[in-house]
Amino acid sequence: EAGVAQSPRYKIIEKRQSVAFWCNPISGHATLYWYQQILGQGPKLLIQFQNNGVVDDSQLPKDRFSAERLKGVDSTLKIQPAKLEDSAVYLCASRRKGQGAFNSPLHFGNGTRLTVT
Amino acid sequence: GNSVTQMEGPVTLSEEAFLTINCTYTATGYPSLFWYVQYPGEGLQLLLKATKADDKGSNKGFEATYRKETTSFHLEKGSVQVSDSAVYFCALSEDDYKLSFGAGTTVTVRA
Repeated sequence: EAGVAQSPRYKIIEKRQSVAFWCNPISGHATLYWYQQILGQGPKLLIQFQNNGVVDDSQLPKDRFSAERLKGVDSTLKIQPAKLEDSAVYLCASRRKGQGAFNSPLHFGNGTRLTVT
Repeated sequence: GNSVTQMEGPVTLSEEAFLTINCTYTATGYPSLFWYVQYPGEGLQLLLKATKADDKGSNKGFEATYRKETTSFHLEKGSVQVSDSAVYFCALSEDDYKLSFGAGTTVTVRA
């Protein structure tokens, strides 16, 4: 089974620029998550999709962050404009539909490391 | 709200030493508890889990027991190897879909 694919692996941008990250979940996984992991902290959920619908985006800074999951497969996360404090690793994770955290663990990608200068 | 507090690192050990990483949690209900591990250059992956009080999760020689009375889920391994060098994250899920993670503990095992 292929894992969760993310790209790019690294990105360096200047503040006020825009950036986009891409995620391709494991085939058949209907639930997709984006997490932000700031250095020295644990991952923090930004947004959760079920197929192409948003389930939870309560912690997404909507003034600058946006995410979409067209056709319920791939997803993109965008930041516009970026701030210094957005420097972090952005993790994508997926899970099969209908299975909760206990019965089906999250499968994480390797993440995109963003540096904002 | 839900939160997880982990023992601060980094932790450096010699091979065959005993490892303990403390984890305590705060939750309004009865969460499921997890340990995730991140090996160098790899993504987070589930190490072990427990769903109710006194349950013991185990995998790869690691163990953790769900202690409701102390709201803890400490991770232990009796004899670590160099290959156990990684970042370990304690996490909880109360609604069965959203995970709340601790800050992570970096463990380095020296040969």
